[in-house]
Amino acid sequence: NAGVMQNPRHLVRRRGQEARLRCSPMKGHSHVYWYRQLPEEGLKFMVYLQKENIIDESGMPKERFSAEFPKEGPSILRIQQVVRGDSAAYFCASSPFGDEQYFGPGTRLTVT
Amino acid sequence: SQQGEEDPQALSIQEGENATMNCSYKTSINNLQWYRQNSGRGLVHLILIRSNEREKHSGRLRVTLDTSKKSSSLLITASRAADTASYFCATLQTGANNLFFGTGTRLTVIP
Repeated sequence: NAGVMQNPRHLVRRRGQEARLRCSPMKGHSHVYWYRQLPEEGLKFMVYLQKENIIDESGMPKERFSAEFPKEGPSILRIQQVVRGDSAAYFCASSPFGDEQYFGPGTRLTVT
Repeated sequence: SQQGEEDPQALSIQEGENATMNCSYKTSINNLQWYRQNSGRGLVHLILIRSNEREKHSGRLRVTLDTSKKSSSLLITASRAADTASYFCATLQTGANNLFFGTGTRLTVIP
């Protein structure tokens, strides 16, 4: 059973471009969470999704950020018109029952 | 708001010694989880302890939970250089969907 997969592992974007981060949960897991980690800090929750539904997006900025988890395919975190402050590591986690969460290796976004 | 706070922020010990890290939180929880993160890498799940449990063991790891004091501790016995990493506690608050992470303890084990 492969673990949570994220791609790309590293992403460099210029200010104003779009960033698309992908997360494939573990097989059988229908709960997906996105977290952001700034340097030297802990992870901060962004959004929680189940298949085709956003359950909780209280940690996600209202503008420029969106997330989806379609019936088929990976979960996508999309950041439009990136700014330097968006530079961070973005982690996805999946869970079978919404309890214990398994994390992917993360995508490190650098905005130049 | 984020509620996990680890103590100490950083810890440096000799190989073979034990390492103890503490975590405090503020609200009622369903469970508390400990994770390890090597520099620049993803998180590795170490252990989960539920609110009705007081102690759990996994290999060289021992976790305690005191819900009356809203605190947890992680003990790593007979430390190894490979244990060098940041350790985070994360709580699943009652009624919440997501984990709240602390700021982490940076452990350095000197060979």
